[in-house]
Amino acid sequence: DAGVIQSPRHEVTEMGQEVTLRCKPISGHNSLFWYRQTMMRGLELLIYFNNNVPIDDSGMPEDRFSAKMPNASFSTLKIQPSEPRDSAVYFCASTTRGSNQPQHFGDGTRLSIL
Amino acid sequence: EDKVVQSPLSLVVHEGDTVTLNCSYEVTNFRSLLWYKQEKKAPTFLFMLTSSGIEKKSGRLSSILDKKELSSILNITATQTGDSAIYLCAVEGERGSTLGRLYFGRGTQLTVWP
Repeated sequence: DAGVIQSPRHEVTEMGQEVTLRCKPISGHNSLFWYRQTMMRGLELLIYFNNNVPIDDSGMPEDRFSAKMPNASFSTLKIQPSEPRDSAVYFCASTTRGSNQPQHFGDGTRLSIL
Repeated sequence: EDKVVQSPLSLVVHEGDTVTLNCSYEVTNFRSLLWYKQEKKAPTFLFMLTSSGIEKKSGRLSSILDKKELSSILNITATQTGDSAIYLCAVEGERGSTLGRLYFGRGTQLTVWP
């Protein structure tokens, strides 16, 4: 079975540019999570969706960050404009909410803003 | 504010040693506690614990939850170099917007020398 699929794997861009990260959850999962991981702050939840609806976006750092889930098999996390402090590894995870199944993580996108 | 604390932050041992990693939590509406192993890419699931006092075991790894003390331990016996990784503890909320949401600790960086 395919796991959570994220793209791109690596992204290097200059500050001020728009960045779009993509995620395809595991088929049949109804909850999707976006995390950011840095050495300083560890793994932080940015936003999560249940049945394509955002449930908690309190972790989104500021208005430059936005996330969408137009259907059950696709989500995007967008940063516009990007800044060097956004450099991190961004993970997407999915699960079935309320089940006894753990969240499964994608391999992440390593983002570097120059 | 909900919080998950892991100790130690880092640990260096030699192959064959036994290690114990600790996780304590202050999370309202507790549903479950999860352990993940993170090597170079995505965190991979190890254990999910919901009941106090019941040990979960997988090979040389085992874990137990103490809901009275709000804590869990992860034991690794006869460590191998392949056990070198960051071990993450996470707690899942039980209801409302916390259902399915994981609160992560900062992790324990384990290094096993040959």
